[in-house]
Amino acid sequence: AQSVTQLGSHVSVSEGALVLLRCNYSSSVPPYLFWYVQYPNQGLQLLLKYTSAATLVKGINGFEAEFKKSETSFHLTKPSAHMSDAAEYFCAVSEWTGFQKLVFGTGTRLLVSP
Amino acid sequence: SQTIHQWPATLVQPVGSPLSLECTVEGTSNPNLYWYRQAAGRGLQLLFYSVGIGQISSEVPQNLSASRPQDRQFILSSKKLLLSDSGFYLCAWSGEGSPNYGYTFGSGTRLTVV
Repeated sequence: AQSVTQLGSHVSVSEGALVLLRCNYSSSVPPYLFWYVQYPNQGLQLLLKYTSAATLVKGINGFEAEFKKSETSFHLTKPSAHMSDAAEYFCAVSEWTGFQKLVFGTGTRLLVSP
Repeated sequence: SQTIHQWPATLVQPVGSPLSLECTVEGTSNPNLYWYRQAAGRGLQLLFYSVGIGQISSEVPQNLSASRPQDRQFILSSKKLLLSDSGFYLCAWSGEGSPNYGYTFGSGTRLTVV
């Protein structure tokens, strides 16, 4: 079964600093990987997804993620944090068993200080 | 375009009372539908999924049930709520077929059982 591990339940950065949220996956087949963002008391919004077309994936709000097969990683980055980036971020891997099932990591809360 | 509606947004219910949460999708047909629960500090847990009318699969044994009376309607129910049923409930849909579609989530229901 596929799984993802998010390192760090909380990450704190200053406004303008680099954002790096870590995600490692475990998959026996080429994975489909996703990053979602969740603002307080809201549903999850898709930031970006990797579907094997390109290893560097660009998403919304200036985020991007790089798929590294050798490291089984799909880390999320943003060059310069903004206060509005404060939210919880979830990495997910798609498991296909006749239908699509997303397996989520436990989430990383990003805190941005002025 | 496709949209997903979930209601109510918040709910406070006494222990032992019934529950009904509704989710509807517009702009697509034969979606895969999902109910997730997000408990504090515990990430996202898949509760139920459905690939068609009347077809419900449960991921974990629990005090809840789900039904899909129409193609784009998914209902989460309980006959008697427990304190442990408190949490944030999210409905989601994905297109049938390829696993790279990802999910689209509803805005969630915050359930507090008192």
